Amino acid sequence: KQEVTQIPAALSVPEGENLVLNCSFTDSAIYNLQWFRQDPGKGLTSLLLIQSSQREQTSGRLNASLDKSSGRSTLYIAASQPGDSATYLCAVLKTSGSRLTFGEGTQLTVNP
Amino acid sequence: DGGITQSPKYLFRKEGQNVTLSCEQNLNHDAMYWYRQDPGQGLRLIYYSQIVNDFQKGDIAEGYSVSREKKESFPLTVTSAQKNPTAFYLCASNWDPRQPQHFGDGTRLSIL
Repeated sequence: KQEVTQIPAALSVPEGENLVLNCSFTDSAIYNLQWFRQDPGKGLTSLLLIQSSQREQTSGRLNASLDKSSGRSTLYIAASQPGDSATYLCAVLKTSGSRLTFGEGTQLTVNP
Repeated sequence: DGGITQSPKYLFRKEGQNVTLSCEQNLNHDAMYWYRQDPGQGLRLIYYSQIVNDFQKGDIAEGYSVSREKKESFPLTVTSAQKNPTAFYLCASNWDPRQPQHFGDGTRLSIL
């Protein structure tokens, strides 16, 4: 059974700092890995999707990497801003399935 | 604007009562999903549907039921058999399970 773990559970940083969020998964037979953002009391917004054959994806100040063999992904946020404060979740899609398995999320607070 | 609409935003259930959560999408997506989110936790899949008139159980289907009579609608009923229904419920959709999911803004269900 696929398990997804995110560390740390919560992170508080000053504005302007570069930061890394971590995601690990137990079964490397994945089709893709996705990063989402969730604001309090809201649904999820898709940030980045990395196919299993890719090493990284970039969107603006966000960069996600994937090391399938070691079962790890990182989300790098450059020059963090207070507006980046949210919970970030990663999810993996198995090659044999049609369902995402989610991690528990990292709650990020960026202080002005 | 295209998107997913969940209603109501807040819902209260009495003991022994069934309640139905609405999810409507105008994105012309084939696949739709229902998730449950408990505080500080990731999303757990309740039911999903890849095509009209067909749906599959997720990881925590007991005490829930769904229907998919129309492409744009995927209502979730929380039955009296679900003994711990208090949670945040999220609906999502996509064209294909391998594509990013689009989420509604959720329904928060509480017990009276």
